[in-house]
Amino acid sequence: DTAVSQTPKYLVTQMGNDKSIKCEQNLGHDTMYWYKQDSKKFLKIMFSYNNKELIINETVPNRFSPKSPDKAHLNLHINSLELGDSAVYFCASSHRGSGANVLTFGAGSRLTVL
Amino acid sequence: AQTVTQSQPEMSVQEAETVTLSCTYDTSESDYYLFWYKQPPSRQMILVIRQEAYKQQNATENRFSVNFQKAAKSFSLKISDSQLGDAAMYFCAAVEYGNKLVFGAGTILRVKS
Repeated sequence: DTAVSQTPKYLVTQMGNDKSIKCEQNLGHDTMYWYKQDSKKFLKIMFSYNNKELIINETVPNRFSPKSPDKAHLNLHINSLELGDSAVYFCASSHRGSGANVLTFGAGSRLTVL
Repeated sequence: AQTVTQSQPEMSVQEAETVTLSCTYDTSESDYYLFWYKQPPSRQMILVIRQEAYKQQNATENRFSVNFQKAAKSFSLKISDSQLGDAAMYFCAAVEYGNKLVFGAGTILRVKS
């Protein structure tokens, strides 16, 4: 009954590979996000979808492609992985119309690129 | 666009004592929200407390309270009766209505027994 679940929690892969991280929320929220936390713990937004529509697209390499098949799911696909992609990726969701935009986070997916 | 600054990379507190974590922010909006999130070693992001900018009254949640100074754009977190379980990274964050949540760089809080 996890509110925001991400899979996998850990991912170790070689440079150049393609990988995906999946996220699902059962809170009935209409907005989902991907945040990246780097090695210095800095959290930065990457993407946001509202009702399957992309509404925030930060300066992120186009090797990163989010996909939202429905408002309960937001997946992140990364092509041609680089060493600098190693980070913890957090999925989050919120109800945008609430104004306060309180985000509920998943447990994070630690990606290690060798 | 809003920015959030946490000037204390690390803080320590003795168990049962009080500690205050600092945060300043910058926004051109009059309507916005402020948050403190906690990230323990498990890396789960946990909402600690939130403050609506239009409310004068400082938010409180049990042992956690904020000192919100709107004119100074300051939003500090006070933790009273600190417990070992409070040890974590604390992030201050701000969001303008309908916009993205922006985080500060975080403050590591260590609790000594």
